[in-house]
Amino acid sequence: ELKVEQNPLFLSMQEGKNYTIYCNYSTTSDRLYWYRQDPGKSLESLFVLLSNGAVKQEGRLMASLDTKARLSTLHITAAVHDLSATYFCGSYNTDKLIFGTGTRLQVFP
Amino acid sequence: DAGVIQSPRHEVTEMGQEVTLRCKPISGHDYLFWYRQTMMRGLELLIYFNNNVPIDDSGMPEDRFSAKMPNASFSTLKIQPSEPRDSAVYFCASSLTRGLGTEAFFGQGTRLTVV
Repeated sequence: ELKVEQNPLFLSMQEGKNYTIYCNYSTTSDRLYWYRQDPGKSLESLFVLLSNGAVKQEGRLMASLDTKARLSTLHITAAVHDLSATYFCGSYNTDKLIFGTGTRLQVFP
Repeated sequence: DAGVIQSPRHEVTEMGQEVTLRCKPISGHDYLFWYRQTMMRGLELLIYFNNNVPIDDSGMPEDRFSAKMPNASFSTLKIQPSEPRDSAVYFCASSLTRGLGTEAFFGQGTRLTVV
């Protein structure tokens, strides 16, 4: 059974700093997804990673995938307040889309 | 396309009552997922459908929960009878065929409160 684990669960960081969120998954998967959820809102897709070594960047966020290590990272560069949200990674076990526990990110001045 | 549409957005009901949540997936999507989100348990997959057929309902917590997808454009999640511990946000999501590698798109969710 696929398990997806994220760490840290909570992250409080100062504006301008860099940090990385980690996503480990327990079984072989060729796809990894990152989503963002603002308080009281739905989940919005950020990145789709489809192969080993895939790297995608959007603004201050960069996601990567290492299928051999079963690890994906979401790197935050020079954080700004607008990035405050909860970030989820998700992976597939056959056709079941399973998500991690989420990382709640708070960026303060 | 208007995206995944869920109704109602909010539902407050008394314990023991029947609750029906509704979802309209994105046209052309052949996968539909129902999730429950709580602070304690995070985002749990309850059941998913492929081409209107339930494939895996192992996440459905109890027999009080049931889901149907009578056609490609409509699905329901029913709780009968409801209990206070069912209070959560329920999300519906849809996606295209797995091989295309596209992401799942989520509805706005239904916030259910059982008192």
